[in-house]
Amino acid sequence: EIVLTQSPATLSVSPGERATLSCRASQSVGRNLAWYQQKPGQAPRLLIFDASGRATGIPARFSGSGSGTDFTLTISSLEPDDFAVYYCQQRTNWPGTWTFGQGTKVEVK
Amino acid sequence: QVQLVQSGPELKKPGASLKVSCKGVGYIFTDYFLHWVRQAPGQGLEWIGWINPQSGDTKYAQNFQGWVAMTRDLSISTVYMEVISLRADDTAVYFCARGPRIMGGSTGLDPWGRGTVVAVSS
Repeated sequence: EIVLTQSPATLSVSPGERATLSCRASQSVGRNLAWYQQKPGQAPRLLIFDASGRATGIPARFSGSGSGTDFTLTISSLEPDDFAVYYCQQRTNWPGTWTFGQGTKVEVK
Repeated sequence: QVQLVQSGPELKKPGASLKVSCKGVGYIFTDYFLHWVRQAPGQGLEWIGWINPQSGDTKYAQNFQGWVAMTRDLSISTVYMEVISLRADDTAVYFCARGPRIMGGSTGLDPWGRGTVVAVSS
């Protein structure tokens, strides 16, 4: 089973600053990786699909990059609404098995 | 508007079984996989598995094989997830989420249902 490791566990950032979140896979997943945002009491929301595709309605300040085992979610300039927990998720084969990373909490510095 | 409508909260005793539902609205139900994900209190997301509504084929995470079953009723565009032999640590919010197109699609779950709160306690 492929394990996704997210770092850091918590990221303290000031509004307006850039946030860089990492997701590392225990073996190659190609570009079969997604990113989600979750706020307390809410369902997760898809941000990025296929490593770098921005989901419908997601602001341009969110971007995804990477392939193989190393992936990055970048929030170019944090807005108050962006403080939340972020998860990466991978898919192995088609339609395959899916796993989540343990999450990164982005908090106000 | 595409949405997934989940059933209401459940309170169960240990050893009981659970059946939660998820109705697809606003899209062709048989065109997309349907996934289930759970989140225990204060914890992260855990993928449970998917069902192909068109064929009924299923795939479960290793941790859930043997005690989770997903089924569907095409007449009402609804999928069900049954969990048997519930334990206290099955207490969680259970989400359904639309997966990729069955004929081939991207890696990502969208949209998600609001979640079904399940509490297991004696």
